[in-house]
Amino acid sequence: TQLLEQSPQFLSIQEGENLTVYCNSSSVFSSLQWYRQEPGEGPVLLVTVVTGGEVKKLKRLTFQFGDARKDSSLHITAAQPGDTGLYLCAGPMDSNYQLIWGAGTKLIIKP
Amino acid sequence: DAGVIQSPRHEVTEMGQEVTLRCKPISGHDYLFWYRQTMMRGLELLIYFNNNVPIDDSGMPEDRFSAKMPNASFSTLKIQPSEPRDSAVYFCASSTGTGGSPLHFGNGTRLTVT
Repeated sequence: TQLLEQSPQFLSIQEGENLTVYCNSSSVFSSLQWYRQEPGEGPVLLVTVVTGGEVKKLKRLTFQFGDARKDSSLHITAAQPGDTGLYLCAGPMDSNYQLIWGAGTKLIIKP
Repeated sequence: DAGVIQSPRHEVTEMGQEVTLRCKPISGHDYLFWYRQTMMRGLELLIYFNNNVPIDDSGMPEDRFSAKMPNASFSTLKIQPSEPRDSAVYFCASSTGTGGSPLHFGNGTRLTVT
């Protein structure tokens, strides 16, 4: 069974600090997606990583796909209150290509 | 692009009542998904449609749940009769494909069944 585990479940830090959150699996994924969900809204896609070892940057956010395509990380530099939200990773199942979702990391950035 | 539109945003109803949630996907998106989100279980796929045809409804919890997509621009999720354990946020999402295709979510319907 393909599963995605996200860690930590919850993270609260001060504005200006750096942080990394993780999305791990024992299974290989053809790609992984990262979404951010703000309170009262639906998840919004941030990035898709496809190639093992790939690094993508979105302003202060850096996403990395593991070489073996079993894990991914999201690093935020100099976090700001606007980064607050639930960060979800998702990847397609081999069997039917539907997305499997991690439980998410709830991130709070305090001013 | 107006995005995926869901209505109502909030619904409060009494146990046993019928609830209908509505969704308008992004024009041109062939896939439509209904998800449920709770603190305990996270995001769960209930059902998805391709070109208005239900493809996989294995996530629908019980016969009390039903979904329709009469045309490319409208879908409904109905719960009859509703129960307190159905309380959750229900999301509709659309996309141009499955697998690696990104999902575009609506802002959800927060359902409370008392």
